[in-house]
Amino acid sequence: KAGVTQTPRYLIKTRGQQVTLSCSPISGHRSVSWYQQTPGQGLQFLFEYFSETQRNKGNFPGRFSGRQFSNSRSEMNVSTLELGDSALYLCASSLALTSGGADTQYFGPGTRLTVL
Amino acid sequence: KQEVTQIPAALSVPEGENLVLNCSFTDSAIYNLQWFRQDPGKGLTSLLLIQSSQREQTSGRLNASLDKSSGRSTLYIAASQPGDSATYLCAAYTGGGNKLTFGTGTQLKVEL
Repeated sequence: KAGVTQTPRYLIKTRGQQVTLSCSPISGHRSVSWYQQTPGQGLQFLFEYFSETQRNKGNFPGRFSGRQFSNSRSEMNVSTLELGDSALYLCASSLALTSGGADTQYFGPGTRLTVL
Repeated sequence: KQEVTQIPAALSVPEGENLVLNCSFTDSAIYNLQWFRQDPGKGLTSLLLIQSSQREQTSGRLNASLDKSSGRSTLYIAASQPGDSATYLCAAYTGGGNKLTFGTGTQLKVEL
């Protein structure tokens, strides 16, 4: 079975631009979560999508948004980029058989975003 | 609010040594705890997931334990190898859904 894939792997943008990142979960997985990783803040939860609905949201400004499609693929969008948005963005998928977080999450390789 | 801490932040050991990585969490009402490893510039690889009703899980040379009452988990690595060099992260599930709260990580270096 193919793992979680993320595209693109690397991105360079300038301040004020917007960016869209894509995540394809493992086949059969219904939950997709997004995380931001920076040297200063570590790994922080952005949001989770399940059956095309946002189920959880972290403490990030409204410039960060996402969506999930009927095939479980997910995209996240960051508008009006700031220098502090430079980070590794990781996507994770799980079967989500229960709502209590009992399923192992599998992570993709990440998208490295650099904002100049 | 759940907070997860890992000590030490960095660890260097000679090959063959057995070692223990520590993870502490403030909210004992966790559903599960998961251990990951991350190689430089890469994504996370899941190592072990411990359900809240379990005390430990084993996979090969790895053994993870969970003590909810004390808010602690440990990852034991037996007979360490240079290939074990990576950053190890623990993460707790709290609340509904699949939101993980990550620890700060332990950077492990196993030297020849």
